[in-house]
Amino acid sequence: EVQLVESGGGLVKPGGSLRLSCAASGFTPNSYSLNWVRQAPGKGLEWVSSISGSSRYIYYADSVKGRFTISRDNAKNSLYLQMNSLRAEDTAVYYCARPLGYSGYDLGYWGQGTLVTVSS
Amino acid sequence: EIVMTQSPATLSVSPGGRATLSCRASQSVSSNLAWYQQKPGQAPRLLIYGASTRATGIPDRFSGSGSGTEFTLTISSLQSEDFAVYYCQHYNNWPLTFGGGTKVEIK
Repeated sequence: EVQLVESGGGLVKPGGSLRLSCAASGFTPNSYSLNWVRQAPGKGLEWVSSISGSSRYIYYADSVKGRFTISRDNAKNSLYLQMNSLRAEDTAVYYCARPLGYSGYDLGYWGQGTLVTVSS
Repeated sequence: EIVMTQSPATLSVSPGGRATLSCRASQSVSSNLAWYQQKPGQAPRLLIYGASTRATGIPDRFSGSGSGTEFTLTISSLQSEDFAVYYCQHYNNWPLTFGGGTKVEIK
């Protein structure tokens, strides 16, 4: 059974940093891309970043480019999101998500999310 | 960036009724379109991928259609558990983008 479990959320001051983790299980990690998607309180879904199975291909939303860094450690079955220079508008639930198959980005598996609050 | 526009923002439907949700892309996304259902406090759930293929375990009252720039999610005979927010998402190129969502509420 595919499982994704996020951790690392919390309260951080504007300008601060936070590192999110996603523990993956139930599949061979290097065969699938992994993604971060966020949702601000009461708002819709926003794709944040994607990383291919080998880490060769990495993509970011413009809203986080230069501030966030996605990475993965397939030996540890883990995905990470290093978030620097955090802003109030980064406040959201952050979800880790995996596509259904080896290619494509139809996100068939999601974690339960971890809440990041950026506030002084 | 491809902008995904969903309509209506809110749809009021009676239990047992039919719901038709629209999603429009600002440029062609071919059939690289997914639909998700989200209930309060829960993660999104994939319903439809490839514009028209139901994900595993999704009841056949959910159907997707369209290609290019115009897409539709139809829910026939709404059940109580179907009242939720629905999002479309393209995955044709980068960046991936979601529509703003359609809330299906009880009439």
